[in-house]
Amino acid sequence: GDSVTQMEGPVTLSEEAFLTINCTYTATGYPSLFWYVQYPGEGLQLLLKATKADDKGSNKGFEATYRKETTSFHLEKGSVQVSDSAVYFCALTYSGGGADGLTFGKGTHLIIQP
Amino acid sequence: DTGVSQDPRHKITKRGQNVTFRCDPISEHNRLYWYRQTLGQGPEFLTYFQNEAQLEKSRLLSDRFSAERPKGSFSTLEIQRTEQGDSAMYLCASSLRDRSTDTQYFGPGTRLTVL
Repeated sequence: GDSVTQMEGPVTLSEEAFLTINCTYTATGYPSLFWYVQYPGEGLQLLLKATKADDKGSNKGFEATYRKETTSFHLEKGSVQVSDSAVYFCALTYSGGGADGLTFGKGTHLIIQP
Repeated sequence: DTGVSQDPRHKITKRGQNVTFRCDPISEHNRLYWYRQTLGQGPEFLTYFQNEAQLEKSRLLSDRFSAERPKGSFSTLEIQRTEQGDSAMYLCASSLRDRSTDTQYFGPGTRLTVL
């Protein structure tokens, strides 16, 4: 079945550092890919998405590019802030969503120190 | 607030009791999903509705779990004869089916503790 693998956390960085959180996937078809973020005490929020190969999703300074050749969707940000501290989830589903819902990775806890 | 809402936010129950959770989706969304999230894991898909039809329920964890969406608006998730292993966060999400990928928007979740 489909699966998503994320780098283990916690990831601890200093403010203004460059961030990469790795995400790779295994899928039988051509999924859409997502990053969701969960801030402390809050629900899951969509951060960005990409629906086909070579698409780049971006939001709030974060970016991720859908790489079909490496089955990856790594999350990057050029300069992190303390407010970016959260748990980040990579996920996939198929166009139109539906029967399979979203398949999530285990999440990566990001801690940004001032 | 026009987001997905869930009620209650927290539920503590004793083993063997039945519990029911409610989810109110974003008003124009026709799809509704339930997930379970345990500590240190990503959400796990349970079931989904398109309008009032439950189109996928094979991923429900056991026959003690059931869900309804009687009028295609709010939904309920019931767990009968709760067990300690049912302790988790139960998440609801909704989306609007269109020609592109439908994006799921999540509620705050209901945290269940089974004593």
